[in-house]
Amino acid sequence: DPKIIQKPKYLVAVTGSEKILICEQYLGHNAMYWYRQSAKKPLEFMFSYSYQKLMDNQTASSRFQPQSSKKNHLDLQITALKPDDSATYFCASSQDWGEDQNTLYFGAGTRLSVL
Amino acid sequence: AQKVTQTQTSISVMEKTTVTMDCVYETQDSSYFLFWYKQTASGEIVFLIRQDSYKKENATVGHYSLNFQKPKSSIGLIITATQIEDSAVYFCAMREGGPNAYKVIFGKGTHLHVLP
Repeated sequence: DPKIIQKPKYLVAVTGSEKILICEQYLGHNAMYWYRQSAKKPLEFMFSYSYQKLMDNQTASSRFQPQSSKKNHLDLQITALKPDDSATYFCASSQDWGEDQNTLYFGAGTRLSVL
Repeated sequence: AQKVTQTQTSISVMEKTTVTMDCVYETQDSSYFLFWYKQTASGEIVFLIRQDSYKKENATVGHYSLNFQKPKSSIGLIITATQIEDSAVYFCAMREGGPNAYKVIFGKGTHLHVLP
């Protein structure tokens, strides 16, 4: 069973609309992340959270807003969608302790297409 | 500023041979973590192997091993006895300590083609 669940797997949106990408992890990790992958910029870091607190934000646009309702959830809300937002969005998690500390584990991704 | 560079965009090798993929990194931190990931054709991103900067011994996991050359800021991935299913895109990544601890940055990837 996948330990990091991303929903939906595919998403088609119209320009100007708003969508929420869902991520839940069942690895017991304290930290969660969002990455974006497109042909232009492979695996680009967006956000990181630890214990539901924002740790780093490399996304210039405020149209991208992470939302953490629980420790193992980190959703990504995207507003005023643009065709340039088309990409695959990966959620990842890691833990701050133990031998496996700092290693990222990834979900399967959500492929977003904005028309 | 931290940076990870993979200069090989694509490599083709014959099955059962050994391949090395290069990666150089830049960091001001004395403590950092280096990783290699594999992205399969289905898009799945899988963690392969890691090297902590303070460890002198090169990491080995299965048929993956690392060539860590700290003075050269280099972390090469070596795959021995390659198999067709090793065909994928391989990403090198780095995580620093300190204020950048929650940002793992990736190189652009190397596409490995293993030929029968």
